[in-house]
Amino acid sequence: AQSVTQPDIHITVSEGASLELRCNYSYGATPYLFWYVQSPGQGLQLLLKYFSGDTLVQGIKGFEAEFKRSQSSFNLRKPSVHWSDAAEYFCAVGAGSGGYQKVTFGTGTKLQVIP
Amino acid sequence: GAGVSQSPSNKVTEKGKDVELRCDPISGHTALYWYRQRLGQGLEFLIYFQGNSAPDKSGLPSDRFSAERTGESVSTLTIQRTQQEDSAVYLCASSLGSSGTGTNTQYFGPGTRLTVL
Repeated sequence: AQSVTQPDIHITVSEGASLELRCNYSYGATPYLFWYVQSPGQGLQLLLKYFSGDTLVQGIKGFEAEFKRSQSSFNLRKPSVHWSDAAEYFCAVGAGSGGYQKVTFGTGTKLQVIP
Repeated sequence: GAGVSQSPSNKVTEKGKDVELRCDPISGHTALYWYRQRLGQGLEFLIYFQGNSAPDKSGLPSDRFSAERTGESVSTLTIQRTQQEDSAVYLCASSLGSSGTGTNTQYFGPGTRLTVL
């Protein structure tokens, strides 16, 4: 069974600073990997996803993530954080075939942005 | 509609009462998922529908929880004899569910916040 670890429960960065959120996964085959963002009172919004091909994936809102098979990681990065990025971020790993994909989520990293 | 919708957005109930939570998936999405998110925690998978059948209901925590889907569209999650530990946000997601694509990204609704007093 797949699993996801987000080692940082809470991160605080200054506006304009760079950001990296860590995600490690466990899965026997090539995984499908996702980052979702959840703003207060909102549902989860997909930031980006990796299925195959280029290991550096670009997403919405200026985010990117890099798949590193050797490290079983899929860290999320942003070069310059904006106050509106304050939210909770979830890494997820999907497994399955055909039309069904069982997705396992990490416990989330809450991002605080200070002026 | 354009996205996944859920109702009600908030539900407060007394312990022991039954509740029904509704999910309207994106039109044309044949796969539908229910998750539970307890305060400060990640998402727990509850059940998956493909069409109107549920091939994976392994995440339902007890027989008090049930779900159905009709018309390959709307789904209802029912919790009977609610307990305080059922308090959580219940999220619904849908995806295309097409065989062979391997890229069935799940799109989430805003959730229903359930509070059991």
